[in-house]
Amino acid sequence: SAVISQKPSRDICQRGTSLTIQCQVDSQVTMMFWYRQQPGQSLTLIATANQGSEATYESGFVIDKFPISRPNLTFSTLTVSNMSPEDSSIYLCSALGGQGRTDTQYFGPGTRLTVL
Amino acid sequence: AQSVTQLDSHVSVSEGTPVLLRCNYSSSYSPSLFWYVQHPNKGLQLLLKYTSAATLVKGINGFEAEFKKSETSFHLTKPSAHMSDAAEYFCVVGLGGDYKLSFGAGTTVTVRA
Repeated sequence: SAVISQKPSRDICQRGTSLTIQCQVDSQVTMMFWYRQQPGQSLTLIATANQGSEATYESGFVIDKFPISRPNLTFSTLTVSNMSPEDSSIYLCSALGGQGRTDTQYFGPGTRLTVL
Repeated sequence: AQSVTQLDSHVSVSEGTPVLLRCNYSSSYSPSLFWYVQHPNKGLQLLLKYTSAATLVKGINGFEAEFKKSETSFHLTKPSAHMSDAAEYFCVVGLGGDYKLSFGAGTTVTVRA
């Protein structure tokens, strides 16, 4: 399985500021994704992070609010911009593949964000 | 569109008794189905997955799930619950060739001593 790390693990931010979350995978993977888990809720897909091109966003999520980068096959970042308390959530990245496994997504530990 | 419905938001069992978590899916074709577990303040861990091979799928930690096409179900079971099984469980369906996942609402499992 792929081992995925995220930084920071948690943060408390002021409204109106931005936070960039990093996701690192221990092996090259074909696809990476970003999810949001609001308090007490399930996971919702934000976007697919595409290597070398713009991310593909799901309905309800836009690039201006959640810019994503994926400069190579092992790393991606998600920025939460102009934050409001409604952005308080756990943000998780996932990776598909790694070590030949092309049909299973592995998840990072998540970044717990609190916006005051 | 593919989706899953977890029929129980909360399941409480006694240690040593069986666990049953129910999941129904909706899919226009043969789906990929997964069960993930999330322990408090920890990341998601894959328990098992179904990808059109054997209908009875064995996972980690003694869990297994049976794919029943006629019932559009993918229920998760474990013969004997352990205290460490207390967690949130998600039934998940793959959305096709782009490998996106759609998560169910989750089932919280508590285990009584």
